[in-house]
Amino acid sequence: EPEVTQTPSHQVTQMGQEVILRCVPISNHLYFYWYRQILGQKVEFLVSFYNNEISEKSEIFDDQFSVERPDGSNFTLKIRSTKLEDSAMYFCASSGSPRTGGTEAFFGQGTRLTVV
Amino acid sequence: GNSVTQMEGPVTLSEEAFLTINCTYTATGYPSLFWYVQYPGEGLQLLLKATKADDKGSNKGFEATYRKETTSFHLEKGSVQVSDSAVYFCALINSGGSNYKLTFGKGTLLTVNP
Repeated sequence: EPEVTQTPSHQVTQMGQEVILRCVPISNHLYFYWYRQILGQKVEFLVSFYNNEISEKSEIFDDQFSVERPDGSNFTLKIRSTKLEDSAMYFCASSGSPRTGGTEAFFGQGTRLTVV
Repeated sequence: GNSVTQMEGPVTLSEEAFLTINCTYTATGYPSLFWYVQYPGEGLQLLLKATKADDKGSNKGFEATYRKETTSFHLEKGSVQVSDSAVYFCALINSGGSNYKLTFGKGTLLTVNP
């Protein structure tokens, strides 16, 4: 069964460092997303990506964040200068469209980012 | 804007007990509704969904009915098992949007004891 894969599963970084979280979405999906979940809190939308550009972003997704789909298969989230409050589980997700089988999102296993 | 309110946890039940987790929503248009489950140490998995009013989603013994009149999508299971212990998230996609982003509730931790 197709699945969304994320690497690494856990990343520890020092405050102020750049991190790149990687995701391989399901191959025929068109919409790509990043969500985050701070420990014990709800899952929050960060950004959606469609047709090689950001289609929507939340207020959390400030200038420190960026996304790329560099090669048609990977989908990355970059945080330029990490802060302690960026510590969270980051989930990548992908979905199709009504014409390609449905809009339900499939999630990766997540990357736990710890900023120290 | 869109929002999802679900019953605060944690919920602790004995095996074979009846489960209800309440979920209500606010959205413009006609949202699709979902329940996602997060088992310990794992990611989010779709449990069930309903895309229009009066639809019933079901999977693994869980059910939820899309009630437009009460803007609700309560999750139920007649007899829970220890393996159902997880965090359950109610969520919606607003069909009027330009993408299919999910708006989640806060999650409800369910613990089932033998």
